[in-house]
Amino acid sequence: NAGVTQTPKFQVLKTGQSMTLQCAQDMNHEYMSWYRQDPGMGLRLIHYSVGAGITDQGEVPNGYNVSRSTTEDFPLRLLSAAPSQTSVYFCASRSATRQGRYEQYFGPGTRLTVT
Amino acid sequence: GQQLNQSPQSMFIQEGEDVSMNCTSSSIFNTWLWYKQEPGEGPVLLIALYKAGELTSNGRLTAQFGITRKDSFLNISASIPSDVGIYFCAGIHTGGAQKLVFGQGTRLTINP
Repeated sequence: NAGVTQTPKFQVLKTGQSMTLQCAQDMNHEYMSWYRQDPGMGLRLIHYSVGAGITDQGEVPNGYNVSRSTTEDFPLRLLSAAPSQTSVYFCASRSATRQGRYEQYFGPGTRLTVT
Repeated sequence: GQQLNQSPQSMFIQEGEDVSMNCTSSSIFNTWLWYKQEPGEGPVLLIALYKAGELTSNGRLTAQFGITRKDSFLNISASIPSDVGIYFCAGIHTGGAQKLVFGQGTRLTINP
């Protein structure tokens, strides 16, 4: 069981470039989400999905797009990178239907620098 | 967004000492989760709590779900150097989208 995997681990972009951060999970979890982590700001929710074909915005969605075509994959797209998007990005997944049990697991993170 | 009140923000202890940290909220949660994060890594789930008053252990770690459902506690006994890291609490509300709400973290430093 690989759990939650993310690629790439590191990425440097120039302002205005676009890219996709990949996330996959092999636990058949319905719920997947993307967070960014910045010093002093904690973990902030960008977008989340409660199942294939269903996505919604979190606290800080501007500048990011997501889609969920399969249960396993939940890519995060940066449309036009800005220095303010320099951060560490974490993908997470958990079961949304297992009654009363919501153990959420995180991926190893993608460290993104925008110059 | 909403944050849980986690304290202390940092701790500097001697190896072998016990550690206590807690999270409080003004609202009720139906699930509490405790994570540890080491530099350059993602948060790792340590303990999950589902019932008010529940006490759960994972090795030297023990966590409790407060009876008011508004707080949770994590204790580490007989600390060792590999306990160094940042510990986060997270809560999940009843109903709605059931998004996690996080504490700001407790940074644990251990002097050998």
